[in-house]
Amino acid sequence: QSALTQPASVSGSPGQSITISCTGTSSDVGSYNLVSWYQQHPGKAPKLMIYEVSKRPSGVSNRFSGSKSGNTASLTISGLQAEDEADYYCCSYAGSSSVFGGGTKLTVL
Amino acid sequence: QVQLVESGGGVLQPGRSLRLSCAASGFTFTSHAMHWVRQAPGKGLEWVALISYDGSKKFYADSVKGRFTISRDNSKNTLYLQMNSLRAEDTGIYYCARDFRYYDTSGPFDSWGQGTLVTVSS
Repeated sequence: QSALTQPASVSGSPGQSITISCTGTSSDVGSYNLVSWYQQHPGKAPKLMIYEVSKRPSGVSNRFSGSKSGNTASLTISGLQAEDEADYYCCSYAGSSSVFGGGTKLTVL
Repeated sequence: QVQLVESGGGVLQPGRSLRLSCAASGFTFTSHAMHWVRQAPGKGLEWVALISYDGSKKFYADSVKGRFTISRDNSKNTLYLQMNSLRAEDTGIYYCARDFRYYDTSGPFDSWGQGTLVTVSS
């Protein structure tokens, strides 16, 4: 149950696109198409943004997209907006458990 | 709308016990697995435990196995986390979260409570 690996921080200017990577192992990310991404603003509960690698829940902007290759999943946010500034966490099913990434702080410059 | 409300957090000494509750409303509680996820101060999210929709399956993170027990009372639409032998590293906000699909346990977590703070300190 080792945490998935994410960059500690990423940044981008309004209107630009950024990508956050999430690297796991063949026991979690690599074995299941069950990667999800969560957005968390300071002092708030996490919010589901992407599930099953690339699906968006109802109400989530189509500026958010997900993908996966091998043991690494990615979250891309296009057309960055000020309100996208938050912490982002990936999560993968790992067979009877789930494992989160360490989180990435997104700064919108 | 889906609502999850945690309670039971507090400040206590190492080695003591605490039980957290999560009251659910706005959805068919008996159809969804439930999870506990925690967040240490200034740190990331950590999955803690899950319980299947009917309580027949329970799984734990290695860090809490043997000390924490997850349970549910479907007649009361309430989820619990019994925490024993608490350690300083158990300090954090504890969130309950709903599993997205009916009768599944593999996530994702589509609804979260506001969290309850547990502080373990001597």
